[in-house]
Amino acid sequence: GESVGLHLPTLSVQEGDNSIINCAYSNSASDYFIWYKQESGKGPQFIIDIRSNMDKRQGQRVTVLLNKTVKHLSLQIAATQPGDSAVYFCAETLPSGTYKYIFGTGTRLKVLA
Amino acid sequence: GAGVSQSPSNKVTEKGKDVELRCDPISGHTALYWYRQSLGQGLEFLIYFQGNSAPDKSGLPSDRFSAERTGGSVSTLTIQRTQQEDSAVYLCASSLGPRGETQYFGPGTRLLVL
Repeated sequence: GESVGLHLPTLSVQEGDNSIINCAYSNSASDYFIWYKQESGKGPQFIIDIRSNMDKRQGQRVTVLLNKTVKHLSLQIAATQPGDSAVYFCAETLPSGTYKYIFGTGTRLKVLA
Repeated sequence: GAGVSQSPSNKVTEKGKDVELRCDPISGHTALYWYRQSLGQGLEFLIYFQGNSAPDKSGLPSDRFSAERTGGSVSTLTIQRTQQEDSAVYLCASSLGPRGETQYFGPGTRLLVL
């Protein structure tokens, strides 16, 4: 079936370093991708999104890269801070006109002081 | 409101009892979604509302689960005769519309069935 997965379940980075969280998706027709951050005891928080007609999108300290050729999505966090410690989920939506998000199991980011 | 709200934030119940979870979406959002998140797992889709109707109930695990939405706003998820495997975080999200719009999540209701 269709799935969205993550390469690394846990990522530990030093404070101040850049973090890269990866995600693979299986449906080449998916046209909208979202990254969410979920802190302990809270609901997922929208970070950044990207549509399939783009390769890169930047936000504040975050960049999402989409490689449609290999069906890969990544989230880059610059100058990682302790407050970035959380579980990060990527999600895809099936082709336009549908609403279902398919979520991966998440990657836990640990920021080391 | 400023964001999606859910109540209660925590619920402990005994096996066999019914529980009702509430979601208050962002004002003006026509689409509403319920998800379930088990410990350390991703989000499992349960049901989707567009306005007051639920065109997709395919994710509901059993007939013990039901949901309704009234006035195009508040939604309630009801679990009858709760079982221990129902223990999870139940998340609600809303979006402006159903077609590729960003979903914004509430804080969730943590349900523990003893």
